[in-house]
Amino acid sequence: TQLLEQSPQFLSIQEGENLTVYCNSSSVFSSLQWYRQEPGEGPVLLVTVVTGGEVKKLKRLTFQFGDARKDSSLHITAAQPGDTGLYLCAGTRNYQLIWGAGTKLIIKP
Amino acid sequence: SQTIHQWPATLVQPVGSPLSLECTVEGTSNPNLYWYRQAAGRGLQLLFYSVGIGQISSEVPQNLSASRPQDRQFILSSKKLLLSDSGFYLCAWGGQGSYEQYFGPGTRLTVT
Repeated sequence: TQLLEQSPQFLSIQEGENLTVYCNSSSVFSSLQWYRQEPGEGPVLLVTVVTGGEVKKLKRLTFQFGDARKDSSLHITAAQPGDTGLYLCAGTRNYQLIWGAGTKLIIKP
Repeated sequence: SQTIHQWPATLVQPVGSPLSLECTVEGTSNPNLYWYRQAAGRGLQLLFYSVGIGQISSEVPQNLSASRPQDRQFILSSKKLLLSDSGFYLCAWGGQGSYEQYFGPGTRLTVT
């Protein structure tokens, strides 16, 4: 059973479009992190959200933590080819980090 | 600044051969250390984690083992590799009391 469900599993869009990917659970997390991984490399931490309803912005990326701290979303505005990668969310629960399976994002020029 | 190294970057080994992957961290003391395996393009499976020298917790029973002989060194080993051990192995470190993790470049292991 996947405690953190990421959707969609795969997304391919044109450069300049907007997109949102989701990270959902029935469990409450004390914090949630988003990572981006490029092929053949390790994941890189993008952001950590801690407070229910929290919104963080990283240039064209907007991260939101759900009010109940069970879900999160990542919105990318005007996607660029450099945004291509595997986006992973990970939630902190009971002193463990629970990982989602990832959303593979391809931005076509 | 902190850096994390893994080697080798790629490895091709026959079934039944031993394995040793090494991970070292620079620029921090007493880090939490983690070994993950990742199937192609998918999520991470935690294999082992360590909160200090000689302290290893195993998350998944299998023919792999881990050791932490020094504060900033983490080693993943196997006595006899299986085909199913193929994958992308990632080492990560995190600060004590923090759940944020910082990953190395990974080792691509192919068992033939």
